[in-house]
Amino acid sequence: EAGVTQFPSHSVIEKGQTVTLRCDPISGHDNLYWYRRVMGKEIKFLLHFVKESKQDESGMPNNRFLAERTGGTYSTLKVQPAELEDSGVYFCASKGIQGNTGELFFGEGSRLTVL
Amino acid sequence: AQSVTQLGSHVSVSEGALVLLRCNYSSSVPPYLFWYVQYPNQGLQLLLKYTSAATLVKGINGFEAEFKKSETSFHLTKPSAHMSDAAEYFCAMYSGGGADGLTFGKGTHLIIQP
Repeated sequence: EAGVTQFPSHSVIEKGQTVTLRCDPISGHDNLYWYRRVMGKEIKFLLHFVKESKQDESGMPNNRFLAERTGGTYSTLKVQPAELEDSGVYFCASKGIQGNTGELFFGEGSRLTVL
Repeated sequence: AQSVTQLGSHVSVSEGALVLLRCNYSSSVPPYLFWYVQYPNQGLQLLLKYTSAATLVKGINGFEAEFKKSETSFHLTKPSAHMSDAAEYFCAMYSGGGADGLTFGKGTHLIIQP
């Protein structure tokens, strides 16, 4: 069974440009999460989808970030326009609906570098 | 407020020595606790989890952790370190309700000296 996959693995862009990160969760997982780790800091929650609906987006930094999950399958996270402080590793995670112990399955992350 | 604290951003041990990575939490409700590991150029992998059953939890690769409510701790241990254990380790907590995600500590780099 394929795990959580993220694309691209690394993106280097200039300030003011736009970047779109993609996440494909484990097949059948209704819950999809985005997290971000800025260098030297802890991994922080950004938002949570249940199927195509945003369940909790309290961690989104500002309105330059837009997450979508059309059809309840893969998700995209767009940053527009990117700023220097957006640099970091963006992790996607998914979880099935069985139980509620909080265990998440993570992808390898997308490293974003804004110059 | 909910928080997870990992003591020490870097821990260095000799190969064959005991590994001890510390994690303390703060939560207003009984939490679920996790240790994740990230090897270089890989994603986060679940090592073990505490979900209110046994307080001593065994995970993969010989790691284990003990939930101590009185100390609000969930330290990770391994009796004998191996070179392949070199990685970054994250303690995380899920309290349910409220914010719907995991709360992570800042991570600890485990360095294994030959």
